Amino acid sequence: GIQVEQSPPDLILQEGANSTLRCNFSDSVNNLQWFHQNPWGQLINLFYIPSGTKQNGRLSATTVATERYSLLYISSSQTTDSGVYFCAVAADSWGKLQFGAGTQVVVTP
Amino acid sequence: NAGVTQTPKFQVLKTGQSMTLQCAQDMNHNSMYWYRQDPGMGLRLIYYSASEGTTDKGEVPNGYNVSRLNKREFSLRLESAAPSQTSVYFCASSAGQNYGYTFGSGTRLTVV
Repeated sequence: GIQVEQSPPDLILQEGANSTLRCNFSDSVNNLQWFHQNPWGQLINLFYIPSGTKQNGRLSATTVATERYSLLYISSSQTTDSGVYFCAVAADSWGKLQFGAGTQVVVTP
Repeated sequence: NAGVTQTPKFQVLKTGQSMTLQCAQDMNHNSMYWYRQDPGMGLRLIYYSASEGTTDKGEVPNGYNVSRLNKREFSLRLESAAPSQTSVYFCASSAGQNYGYTFGSGTRLTVV
């Protein structure tokens, strides 16, 4: 199956700081999504982004499919951004996602 | 509120007992999925249903069965629970291959 590697594994930020999370994948994909798992365990879909760039408020994501990586940018971080960020990819016709191990983000006041 | 509803939220089973985890979505999505999340292992696909009437195995199907009862509902059954099935179980749905997932809030299952 496709290997998904996320970096860094852990990130500690001060409120207001900017950060970049990276997702590398081992093969061509037709589906790439970013999720945020909050401290209560809820998984929220942030972006469906198999290629190109998208923005949603303080979050943006870029996927360079030809080079097999995706980046998630968090700007002006807030304590509510704390949690685990997952990248997940699929290369089939059924959208079966393969998840990375996640990046644990802690935003301190 | 549109979304994916999972029941129960918490469950404790004894080894060998059976139970069914329920999942329902009201977004008219074709595809539904069951994942388990274990510490240090990320999320792994157990079973999926690409459309009503079809189901297929994912990465870790052993010990589980599923039923796609109709377009809305996709249940996961543990016939004889084992401690190795202690995990958090998530159901998700999607309109199809080129769309994002919506996850339910999860079921925390402990098998003793």
